[in-house]
Amino acid sequence: GNSVTQMEGPVTLSEEAFLTINCTYTATGYPSLFWYVQYPGEGLQLLLKATKADDKGSNKGFEATYRKETTSFHLEKGSVQVSDSAVYFCALSPGNTGKLIFGQGTTLQVKP
Amino acid sequence: DVKVTQSSRYLVKRTGEKVFLECVQDMDHENMFWYRQDPGLGLRLIYFSYDVKMKEKGDIPEGYSVSREKKERFSLILESASTNQTSMYLCASSGLGTGNTDTQYFGPGTRLTVL
Repeated sequence: GNSVTQMEGPVTLSEEAFLTINCTYTATGYPSLFWYVQYPGEGLQLLLKATKADDKGSNKGFEATYRKETTSFHLEKGSVQVSDSAVYFCALSPGNTGKLIFGQGTTLQVKP
Repeated sequence: DVKVTQSSRYLVKRTGEKVFLECVQDMDHENMFWYRQDPGLGLRLIYFSYDVKMKEKGDIPEGYSVSREKKERFSLILESASTNQTSMYLCASSGLGTGNTDTQYFGPGTRLTVL
């Protein structure tokens, strides 16, 4: 079946540190991959996405590369800010269904 | 600007009550979804709808039903609320696009507590 596994949190970093949040997936076919972010008290919003192998999605200094050989879509940012503190969800869309399958979410806390 | 709204941010109900959660989107989207979010479990799909009056079960439909009488509105119904339905409920919508590249837009969520 289809599933997404994220590294467990919380992840605590100092401002300007390098961020990696690991995400691996299991899927049949060729899914699209997404990262969503949920700021405190808000709903989810799309951060970035990639639709095929070797694509790199990027937004607001975050990036992730679709790696088919390792079935991974790790989120990275070179220098985090306090305002990046949020919960990050990795997700996949398993074909032409419009549905999303989410990982369990990783809480990021950035300290000044 | 894209907008998905949910009828309440916080709701407290008693065991056995019938509960209605409303979601409205203003983007003329065909697809609408209801999820529940629990710590450590991520988001789990309850029901979804691809068109007016159409509905399909997600991964955890037990204890829930839905209604889609108008394109912009998707209601989640708890027929007889139980304490294990205490959770954050998130509504989302997406437009009919090509393949699997549709972005889902989320509402702010309703935190439901069942006593």
